[in-house]
Amino acid sequence: DTAVSQTPKYLVTQMGNDKSIKCEQNLGHDTMYWYKQDSKKFLKIMFSYNNKELIINETVPNRFSPKSPDKAHLNLHINSLELGDSAVYFCASSRQGEAQPQHFGDGTRLSIL
Amino acid sequence: QKEVEQNSGPLSVPEGAIASLNCTYSDRGSQSFFWYRQYSGKSPELIMFIYSNGDKEDGRFTAQLNKASQYVSLLIRDSQPSDSATYLCAVTSGGSNYKLTFGKGTLLTVNP
Repeated sequence: DTAVSQTPKYLVTQMGNDKSIKCEQNLGHDTMYWYKQDSKKFLKIMFSYNNKELIINETVPNRFSPKSPDKAHLNLHINSLELGDSAVYFCASSRQGEAQPQHFGDGTRLSIL
Repeated sequence: QKEVEQNSGPLSVPEGAIASLNCTYSDRGSQSFFWYRQYSGKSPELIMFIYSNGDKEDGRFTAQLNKASQYVSLLIRDSQPSDSATYLCAVTSGGSNYKLTFGKGTLLTVNP
């Protein structure tokens, strides 16, 4: 009965490859997010979708493309992976509205060789 | 660039003491404030949230907010070794209810 689940948990791949990370939430939330946590543990918002509509799109290379097929799923596709993409990527979800806490998945640790 | 500042620590307290974690933010329009706990290698876990000036208590945790000073804090009473973790302060920013800006976290160590 995991609330926010991401797959895969670990992803090791080579520079230049394309990869996807999937996220699903069973909390009935309307809003989902992608965060990147770098090696210095700094957690930064990348994207957010509310009811399948993109509402936050931070300064992220356009090699990163989110897709939300429905409000329970938010996937992240990354093209032409670079060494600097190595990080932990967290998916999160929340209800819509003011002061709604975000609940995080377990993270996907991406390592680029 | 809207910022959230935290003392990176490490903050070391003895078991049973009060741990005080502080956070300042630059966006005067921030409305909601969150404290997350993150154990090493794990995901952030919500501890508390607050959006009105004053104190909010939940068990051993008390969040304090002063919007005039742009300051939010977390007090942990009767600290336990299991409280040892990185504590992340997060605030809504950019006029959005959804966009959270995180501080870099304070590493807390509770010594038995």
